[in-house]
Amino acid sequence: EVQLVESGGGLVQPGRSLKLSCAASGFTFSNYYMAWVRQAPKKGLEWVATISTSGSRTYYPDSVKGRFTISRDNAKSSLYLQMNSLKSEDTATYYCARVEDWYFDFWGPGTMVTVSS
Amino acid sequence: DVVLTQTPVSLSVTLGDQASISCRSSQSLEYSDGYTYLEWYLQKPGQSPQLLIYEVSNRFSGVPDRFIGSGSGTDFTLKISRVEPEDLGVYYCFQATHDPLTFGSGTKLEIK
Repeated sequence: EVQLVESGGGLVQPGRSLKLSCAASGFTFSNYYMAWVRQAPKKGLEWVATISTSGSRTYYPDSVKGRFTISRDNAKSSLYLQMNSLKSEDTATYYCARVEDWYFDFWGPGTMVTVSS
Repeated sequence: DVVLTQTPVSLSVTLGDQASISCRSSQSLEYSDGYTYLEWYLQKPGQSPQLLIYEVSNRFSGVPDRFIGSGSGTDFTLKISRVEPEDLGVYYCFQATHDPLTFGSGTKLEIK
């Protein structure tokens, strides 16, 4: 059974940094692209980042490009999201997702990030 | 960016009836490889989204055949026949053809 479990969320001040983690199990992690998707409170879904199997290629929308960095450790079956220069509009639940042909076939339960002073 | 417009915004359906959700794209979603990367997700209350339909009309593993996706180009539809209580939640269309990847704004399905 595919399992994705995010961690690392919490309350952080604007301008500070936070690093999210996602522990994967139930599939061969190194064979799949992985991604982060977020959802602001009571709002819709927004794609945040995607990473290739080896980690050599990463993709971001303009809203986070230059501030967020996605990475992975295939030996640990773990995905990460380093978030720098956080803004209030980054407040959201962040989901880790497995990628199949660029869409997301399995999602974790999410971790909440609140950016506030 | 590709804008996906979902209608209606909300839908109230009697159990056992059919529900239909439209998703219109601001650009064609047919990719150069011939595939159309339009997916449908359901987010049940308090849960993370779950994949229902991929590449317009393919049901994901375990999804009942009551869920039917169709469409091409810029116009897509998700039909749910014989709505059941567990179908309530917010439905999102999503496109993975163009960068950046984008979601529709969602359709909330309520049970009458």
